[in-house]
Amino acid sequence: AQTVTQSQPEMSVQEAETVTLSCTYDTSESDYYLFWYKQPPSRQMILVIRQEAYKQQNATENRFSVNFQKAAKSFSLKISDSQLGDAAMYFCAYRSGSNAGNMLTFGGGTRLMVKP
Amino acid sequence: DAGITQSPRHKVTETGTPVTLRCHQTENHRYMYWYRQDPGHGLRLIHYSYGVKDTDKGEVSDGYSVSRSKTEDFLLTLESATSSQTSVYFCAISPPRDTTPYNEQFFGPGTRLTVL
Repeated sequence: AQTVTQSQPEMSVQEAETVTLSCTYDTSESDYYLFWYKQPPSRQMILVIRQEAYKQQNATENRFSVNFQKAAKSFSLKISDSQLGDAAMYFCAYRSGSNAGNMLTFGGGTRLMVKP
Repeated sequence: DAGITQSPRHKVTETGTPVTLRCHQTENHRYMYWYRQDPGHGLRLIHYSYGVKDTDKGEVSDGYSVSRSKTEDFLLTLESATSSQTSVYFCAISPPRDTTPYNEQFFGPGTRLTVL
């Protein structure tokens, strides 16, 4: 079974600075997808960014980008120009390309605090 | 935003009582999921459905059952609630692979369940 590990339970960043959240995963598959979700205090799970394992180019969505290192099984999230609204729990998630049910495996989460 | 609602949003119940949580979607997506969220564990899959009357177990299915009699509704039942089932429960939906290869999941607002 796949596992997803987020080794940083908490991180803090100064407003307008850049922060990187770590995620590693364990899999023997070559076809899979990776996701970052944000969960603000409202509790709503919001999809931030996604990456297909076959794509070498790192995904980017506005101030959010990933550093996908397939050989190292690492999928870190970089937030540039951090804003107060970025304060939230962030979850990394893995989906096998072969599982018919499209199930996600989540990491334990990283709480990001943004200091004004 | 994906049209997903969950009811109730909050519930407090006694040990040993049955509880049913409802997930309703307006997107007509085939796949639906139930997760529970506990501190340090991220989200863990309880059950999922890949069509009307088609369901399967997830990672933490003991003590839970599900039913899906209509595409839009996915019910999660705790037959006899225990204190260990105190958690936040999320429903999610996923579009089919022929619409997006990522099959990303979109989440409902969550239900906070407390079992006394």
